[in-house]
Parts: sequence; C-alpha cells; structure tokens
Amino acid sequence: NAGVTQTPKFQVLKTGQSMTLQCAQDMNHEYMSWYRQDPGMGLRLIHYSVGAGITDQGEVPNGYNVSRSTTEDFPLRLLSAAPSQTSVYFCASTERRFETQYFGPGTRLLVL
Amino acid sequence: AQSVTQPDIHITVSEGASLELRCNYSYGATPYLFWYVQSPGQGLQLLLKYFSGDTLVQGIKGFEAEFKRSQSSFNLRKPSVHWSDAAEYFCAVGSFGNEKLTFGTGTRLTIIP
Repeated sequence: NAGVTQTPKFQVLKTGQSMTLQCAQDMNHEYMSWYRQDPGMGLRLIHYSVGAGITDQGEVPNGYNVSRSTTEDFPLRLLSAAPSQTSVYFCASTERRFETQYFGPGTRLLVL
Repeated sequence: AQSVTQPDIHITVSEGASLELRCNYSYGATPYLFWYVQSPGQGLQLLLKYFSGDTLVQGIKGFEAEFKRSQSSFNLRKPSVHWSDAAEYFCAVGSFGNEKLTFGTGTRLTIIP
C-alpha cells in the first residue's frame, strides 16, 4: 500500500491564482480530512469527508473547496489564492471516526 | 467546543533523561485523546490513543500517556529519551458525536547529548 499520497510536494502561486491539491489513499478509508499547519498554530481542520459524496466544513474552510466523488480521492481546491493561504497542507485518512489517522507527506504552498 | 492546550512550546532534554509533555483538554464528556509525533519535513504519526478503560496507555517507541479526568490532562511520558525522539509532538482531542479532531499547537522537543 502507498498509504496517503499528496501532490504536489511544493507549489508557488501568485495571488489570485487557483489550484488543486491532490490527495489519494489506497486503504479504502471512509474518512478523509484536510489540515493546514502554520507555525505556532498546530494543525487546523479545513474540510473533511465521511464518505464518497459527503463533505463538511472544518475550522478554517474559507477560500477552500472540496469534493469527494470516489473513496480514494479528496482534492482540495484553492479558488483564488491569497498570501494568508501560505502554509503546509496535510491530507489524512482513517477507517473509522477516531481510529488512527494516516497522514500524507504534506504540500508546502507559497502564495506571493 | 472542544479545545486542547499544550503549554510548553519548546522543551530541551538530555539524552537518557526522562520526558513529560503536557496536554490539557476542554470538553464536557469523555474525550477521545491522541498523541501524534511529527519528524522534520514529515507527516504526523500516531504514538498512542485513549478511548476508554485503563487510564494508562502504552504507545509505540516506548511512550506512554495517562488520562486524568480530574485534571483534564493527558500527559505524554517516556522514561529515557533517545536522540531520535527529537521532533514535534501534538496532542489531539475528539468527542462522541463530533467528527472533528482538534489539535494542540504542538511541543517541539530538542535532545542534547
């Protein structure tokens, strides 16, 4: 199993550009989440999904969209990038609520 | 709303010394508690978790944590640290009926020879 994979590993955007951060898992997990990690703030939940076709907002959803058309994939879309979205983004999956979360390696995003 | 506090931003410990990282949570009912570790440039890895039962839980890499309801704490301990334990440690809390996991701000652990 590859576990949780994220692409790209690093991205530079200009303010106003859009992009999609990809996340895929091959463990047939129902639950998937997106977090952002900023210095001194820990991990904050952006959006999560409890199964294909079901998504919900986390703590900091503004400026981000998600969809879950398949169990395996959970892309995160930045609609119009802002410097405040400069961060490291982690995708995670888990088989059931509050079971072990498996994290991807992260995507480092810089918005200029 | 549930919340987690890790009061120590940075801790420095000598190799071979004991370690205790503090975590306090805020939630009315019985929480689900976790400790994760993040090595530099990596994602997070679960060390241990508490759902119910024995309040002293054992994890990987020789770590343990004790749930103390009266103190709303879930401190992480290790009797003797190794240089490879240098990392950032995150406490997290979840709750029944709430799909969201809330993370603390993390404690960075430095090991000195």
